[in-house]
Amino acid sequence: QKEVEQNSGPLSVPEGAIASLNCTYSDRGSQSFFWYRQYSGKSPELIMSIYSNGDKEDGRFTAQLNKASQYVSLLIRDSQPSDSATYLCAVFTSGTYKYIFGTGTRLKVLA
Amino acid sequence: DAGVTQSPTHLIKTRGQQVTLRCSPKSGHDTVSWYQQALGQGPQFIFQYYEEEERQRGNFPDRFSGHQFPNYSSELNVNALLLGDSALYLCASSWDLATEAFFGQGTRLTVV
Repeated sequence: QKEVEQNSGPLSVPEGAIASLNCTYSDRGSQSFFWYRQYSGKSPELIMSIYSNGDKEDGRFTAQLNKASQYVSLLIRDSQPSDSATYLCAVFTSGTYKYIFGTGTRLKVLA
Repeated sequence: DAGVTQSPTHLIKTRGQQVTLRCSPKSGHDTVSWYQQALGQGPQFIFQYYEEEERQRGNFPDRFSGHQFPNYSSELNVNALLLGDSALYLCASSWDLATEAFFGQGTRLTVV
């Protein structure tokens, strides 16, 4: 089992729809969770961080964390073609002091 | 406020050579982490520097080494380059490994 798993996609959604991106992690001791967006050929750009169970909203983005299910998700409302990118989930675990990225989910927003 | 800067942006080296990549962290950050990202993969953690010392290391061989200077800038050195070392090398700065990391634009290394 991979430490951080994401569906590689591509996930295709029409413009204006909600895109839902999922990430699961294996270490129950993980405590910090991050979503990054990476355009092709560019470096990752931080979108959101979340540290406690529940939802965290920032503009069109909502991160959701469920530690009991070891699951973190990112919702993108009113998706735009400019949101088309690879979305990386990253998890930090203090016990092992590891910061691990998933392989990313490629999102395509269709105009 | 300058973000994280890396140099060079692109580099072509021959197998067996050595390479040095450089990174200046975002203002106010004292922790620098290095990642290797192969095509189609997520970034893989190489190591992290804090207070001029290597604090954590991922599963990379000793051919990969680094340094952090008193101004918090950092270098990544790779010796005896292999074809498999071809990748995008990313530097990220933060206040701590547990917090949000901000990435530089990366150095694309090609080993031929």
